Parts: sequence; structure tokens; C-alpha cells
Amino acid sequence: EVQLVESGGGLVQPGRSLRLSCAASGFSFEDYAMHWVRQAPGKGLEWVSGISWNSGDIGYADSVKGRFTISRDNAKNSLYLQMNSLRDEDMAFYYCAKESTGALTMIRGLEYWGQGTLVTVSS
Amino acid sequence: QSALTQPASMSGSPGQSITISCTGTSSDFGNYNLVSWYQQHPGKAPKLMIYEGSKRPSGVSNRFSGSKSGNTASLTISGLQAEDEADYYCCSYVGSRTFVFGGGTKLTVL
Repeated sequence: EVQLVESGGGLVQPGRSLRLSCAASGFSFEDYAMHWVRQAPGKGLEWVSGISWNSGDIGYADSVKGRFTISRDNAKNSLYLQMNSLRDEDMAFYYCAKESTGALTMIRGLEYWGQGTLVTVSS
Repeated sequence: QSALTQPASMSGSPGQSITISCTGTSSDFGNYNLVSWYQQHPGKAPKLMIYEGSKRPSGVSNRFSGSKSGNTASLTISGLQAEDEADYYCCSYVGSRTFVFGGGTKLTVL
């Protein structure tokens, strides 16, 4: 069974940093592209960042470019999101999601999602 | 990266069909057919309903169908059921290794 479990969320002051993790199991993590998608409470989905199977292709939303860094450790079956210079508008549930291929295309959509971890930005 | 445009809300009666639109620009998905659709119930993670514009993942009801014409993608739900009441989001690759979601449509089954 595919499982994606996010962790690392919590309360953080504006301007500070936080690192999210996503632990993957039930599939060959190293073969698939992965994404972070966020959702502010009561708002819609926003794509944040994606990474191909071998980290060769990486993309970011304009809203986080230069502040957030996505990475993965295939040996540890883990996906990460380093978030620096956090702003009020970064407050959201952060989901990790799995593609069906290794390339960063979403050609078959995001077939599996975690349950999310909440990041609260407040002084 | 502007969000794709969806109607904020729609409603329909059980048994009816509804079509949710998702409009972008030619630079958004005019050259691609990489549109996917997601259903999200309150407090739950999104669920993939349609990918590559019109294909259904295994296990998704054939009451859900997708299409695309020019700069508009559409999700049609036929034979509306109470359990279809949820938020629906489109998503597309928009080039340069970036993706964008629509603003979401809240579907109410009357």
C-alpha cells in the first residue's frame, strides 16, 4: 500500500525557516517524480514545487522561488521542502504527492497524496 | 503563474449532469494536454479523477469524464450523486517545469 506521511509542520515566526519531510513507503520511491502542494485553510490548492526521480528536473512556483528548496533522498525514501524567509501567506497545509512516472510532467496526474502537515506562520 | 479560471460554485440535482470548466491562456495549456482533475471532500486529501485531459484512473467511476478544447478543459459529471458533492480542481503543466491549479469549484448536490 502506498503511503506518504508528511511531518515537520508547526508554528514558526515570519522570516524564520522550517523543513518539511515526506516519508514514502509501499512503492519504489526512486522511480517517481514527487511534488509539494499547499492549501491555505479554507482556500484552494496551490502547486509549490516538484522534483523528478533523479533530481535532474526541479520546478518552483513563482511565489516560493528563491525561498524554498525541494530535495529528495532516494536511499531514505524521503522528500523534503526547506522553507526559508517564511511569510504570513505561506501558512497552509502542505501535501506531498506522487506522480505515476519519473519525469516532472504530471502526465498521469498526482495519483497519491499524503494527509498533509500544517505550517502556521505567526509572530 | 496565474491560476486557471474555474467557476467558484455550481449546483445540480441528483441524476443531472454538470460540466465544470477550467480556462487558461494559450501559454498555459494550449500546447499541452496535461490537464488533470481532482476531487476534494472537506478535511480530506485530493483524489485524482482525470489525467491527460480525458483519461480515468482505475477505480474512478465512468460518470466522470474530461475533455479539452482550445484553452478550456472541462470535467463532466453525469448522473449526479450525493457523494459527488465536493470541491473540484483542475491542474495543468504550463511549461518551464511549472504547474498551476485552478481556483477550485464547489459543487453542491441539491
